[in-house]
Amino acid sequence: KAGVTQTPRYLIKTRGQQVTLSCSPISGHRSVSWYQQTPGQGLQFLFEYFSETQRNKGNFPGRFSGRQFSNSRSEMNVSTLELGDSALYLCASSRGTSGGAEYFGPGTRLTVL
Amino acid sequence: GIQVEQSPPDLILQEGANSTLRCNFSDSVNNLQWFHQNPWGQLINLFYIPSGTKQNGRLSATTVATERYSLLYISSSQTTDSGVYFCAVGSAGGTSYGKLTFGQGTILTVHP
Repeated sequence: KAGVTQTPRYLIKTRGQQVTLSCSPISGHRSVSWYQQTPGQGLQFLFEYFSETQRNKGNFPGRFSGRQFSNSRSEMNVSTLELGDSALYLCASSRGTSGGAEYFGPGTRLTVL
Repeated sequence: GIQVEQSPPDLILQEGANSTLRCNFSDSVNNLQWFHQNPWGQLINLFYIPSGTKQNGRLSATTVATERYSLLYISSSQTTDSGVYFCAVGSAGGTSYGKLTFGQGTILTVHP
C-alpha cells in the first residue's frame, strides 16, 4: 500500500508570509499527527487529528494551526512566518487507537529567509 | 511534562560490532517507540514496546516499565544502520492522543 505522502517536499518563504503543508495518511488510517524537527529543539509535537477532530495540541503559538478533511488528509498552516520556523515538518499516520505514530512521511523542509 | 533521556548521544562502531542504546523516561507511559531516522530525514518505526521484549532480525528492544527505561540492541551492525535512533514515549494521561515526546536521539555511525 502507498506510504504517507507530504507535499511540498521543500519550501522557501520569507518572514511574514504564510505557508500550508499537506499530509496524506495511509489508506484506512484516521489519525494524523504533526511534528517539528529543528537542530536545537529536536522533535516536538504540534497537534494530532482523528476523524476531523483535533484531539491534542502541543505548546506552539497560535500561528500554527491545522485541520483534517473527511478523507483523513491533513493540512497545517503557519502564518506570519519567523526565521525560527525553519525546520523539517513531519507528519505521522496511524489508526489512532494505540496513541502512537505508526508511519511517518518523508517531511517538508521549510526554510524561512 | 514527561522527560526522555537517551544515551549515549554519539556512538561510532566498526561493521559487525554490537551496541546497546538506552532510553530513560521520567513518568509512567502507555506507549514507547523506537525510531530510526536515516540521513534523508525519513523516520522509520522500529518497535512499539511499552513493556516486555521484542525482536526483529538483528534488532531487539526491551522495556522495563516499572524502572522507566528501555534498551535497543543492535547486533552485527551494518553501515546501513547509521543514522539517528530516537526513543519516543506517550504519557499515561488521558489527553495523550497522538502525542509522542521524543528524546534527543543517539547518532550512530557504522564504519565499514
